[in-house]
Amino acid sequence: QVQLQESGPGLVRPSETLSLTCTVSGGSISNYYWSWFRQPPGQGPEWIGYIHYSGSTNYNPSLKSRVTVSLDTSKNQFSLRLNYVTAADTAVYYCAGDRNSNVWAYYWGQGTLVTVSS
Amino acid sequence: EVVLTQSPGTLSLSPGERATLSCRASQSISSSYLAWYQQKPGQAPSLLIYSASRRADGVSDRFSASGSGTEFTLTISRLEPEDFAVYYCQQYDSYSVTFGGGTKVEIK
Repeated sequence: QVQLQESGPGLVRPSETLSLTCTVSGGSISNYYWSWFRQPPGQGPEWIGYIHYSGSTNYNPSLKSRVTVSLDTSKNQFSLRLNYVTAADTAVYYCAGDRNSNVWAYYWGQGTLVTVSS
Repeated sequence: EVVLTQSPGTLSLSPGERATLSCRASQSISSSYLAWYQQKPGQAPSLLIYSASRRADGVSDRFSASGSGTEFTLTISRLEPEDFAVYYCQQYDSYSVTFGGGTKVEIK
């Protein structure tokens, strides 16, 4: 059973870069679509972007200029970088994955709260 | 960008009752790219339905879904205590992935 675990700072200062890593266990990172979502407190989920094992990526147009998703196959990890954060980027961030789809995700991490504040 | 509108915002029902949730798209979308999730407090969303009507692995057959074009429906045939949660629809078009605002199914 594939399991995902997010890790990274819980507090980021405005204008700095949010960096999170997702560690995949119980299966290979190969041949999956790996995604990041976020959910501000009390709101619905928002898609951030995905990366396929092949290296192809796609990002939410509203975040595209600030987002990078990358893959480290040697560590069975994928990562998120979000530049120039503001308070509006405060949310629970989830990593997720699916073998067949870059749209929905069957496997999810538990989520990690990232607060943007000085 | 496709906007998904879910209704009702809150559904108050008793265990054993039938729940019908609606998801309306601002423009026609492919059924292949419509999914439904369940989310309980403090947990990640859980995939229920993909491609508009296909149950994800391990999902109870009490959950069914249908629809096409701009109108999609999730039905829970007989509510069990563990079904009380928030439900989101999600879609993909050539532009982006978006979610609806959610329907909360609460115990009456």
